[in-house]
Amino acid sequence: GQNIDQPTEMTATEGAIVQINCTYQTSGFNGLFWYQQHAGEAPTFLSYNVLDGLEEKGRFSSFLSRSKGYSYLLLKELQMKDSASYLCAVLNTGNQFYFGTGTSLTVIP
Amino acid sequence: DVKVTQSSRYLVKRTGEKVFLECVQDMDHENMFWYRQDPGLGLRLIYFSYDVKMKEKGDIPEGYSVSREKKERFSLILESASTNQTSMYLCASSSGTPAPYEQYFGPGTRLTVT
Repeated sequence: GQNIDQPTEMTATEGAIVQINCTYQTSGFNGLFWYQQHAGEAPTFLSYNVLDGLEEKGRFSSFLSRSKGYSYLLLKELQMKDSASYLCAVLNTGNQFYFGTGTSLTVIP
Repeated sequence: DVKVTQSSRYLVKRTGEKVFLECVQDMDHENMFWYRQDPGLGLRLIYFSYDVKMKEKGDIPEGYSVSREKKERFSLILESASTNQTSMYLCASSSGTPAPYEQYFGPGTRLTVT
């Protein structure tokens, strides 16, 4: 079966760095995605990893270890507008997407 | 900019009614998806389609059907709405074959079944 785990809530301070972890078990692996979702809005794409290692994209980076079934999203220089839910999603070899329940991040001044 | 539109933002239907949710994308994407999003359960895939007239079941297809007669349009049908289908419904599209890549989501339809 498919299982994706991420923390429910996190709080961090403006200007700081925060790491949101995601662990997964899936029948076949074809990529891992991170999405950002502000309250009342649709998810928007942040990053995609299919090979092990770190992908950097401005203030956001995402890391993948396929052997450990583990990924993290790293947000640097946090801003108030980064308060949102962050969704981890895995694409399996059947081309089906499985999403975690999301991590609600609150950035405080 | 990729645009994915959904026919309604809010919809209220009665138990037993047939409900149609429409999704249109303007970027010639091959892949289209229907999800529902519920608190504590996250996004769950209902159906997806990789080509016109093609459909595949996702994780929770029971009580739903879909139609894709044209590449840009993907419809979700609730044959006989029930209260447990009250949810936020999100449509998404993506390019990329053989594997779907970045998904673009529509604004969502909040459906209430009474």
